[in-house]
Amino acid sequence: GAGVSQSPSNKVTEKGKDVELRCDPISGHTALYWYRQSLGQGLEFLIYFQGNSAPDKSGLPSDRFSAERTGGSVSTLTIQRTQQEDSAVYLCASSPRQGLAGASTDTQYFGPGTRLTVL
Amino acid sequence: AQSVSQHNHHVILSEAASLELGCNYSYGGTVNLFWYVQYPGQHLQLLLKYFSGDPLVKGIKGFEAEFIKSKFSFNLRKPSVQWSDTAEYFCAILTGANNLFFGTGTRLTVIP
Repeated sequence: GAGVSQSPSNKVTEKGKDVELRCDPISGHTALYWYRQSLGQGLEFLIYFQGNSAPDKSGLPSDRFSAERTGGSVSTLTIQRTQQEDSAVYLCASSPRQGLAGASTDTQYFGPGTRLTVL
Repeated sequence: AQSVSQHNHHVILSEAASLELGCNYSYGGTVNLFWYVQYPGQHLQLLLKYFSGDPLVKGIKGFEAEFIKSKFSFNLRKPSVQWSDTAEYFCAILTGANNLFFGTGTRLTVIP
């Protein structure tokens, strides 16, 4: 079946502009994660949605970052007033999360990422 | 092509046993190396990373990993595991082109 998709694949914007990044998780997956990978660095957790629960926003670096997940499916990550240090690859992942135990429920499936460049 | 291999898919240990999870990568250039952990119901968290210098890297919660360049390996170790170490562990490499590649993960189950 289809995997996690993200759009756009590349985004170049000017400093101070707002951007929206979209993630379409695998159908039926209840958990959705946003990460970013800055140049030369590993993954940095941003935000986590699980079903209808309040999202875990503990990784958002500033109040310029926000995310929502509509209807338990598609998610949008919004960055307001972009800064050059926001340049990174933004990765989305989803997982089934159907139970508390089991080898498959927590496996994360990553999308291809959106490469954001802020000039 | 670049790749990361984690040959152990599921490891089951009793508490206090020693742990070693294998990670081998395939890439011709310089890489940065990472181990991530995902506890049940949580996001990925960084355990440790290697960029340069001492090939024996110490991370959080008593974990360490050794980069052996000649073997293209970056195995994760812990001398004595605890029940709370039950999680999935991912090895990853970051290439010079800033591409991050993950292994398929190893699920660790620690039996009290």
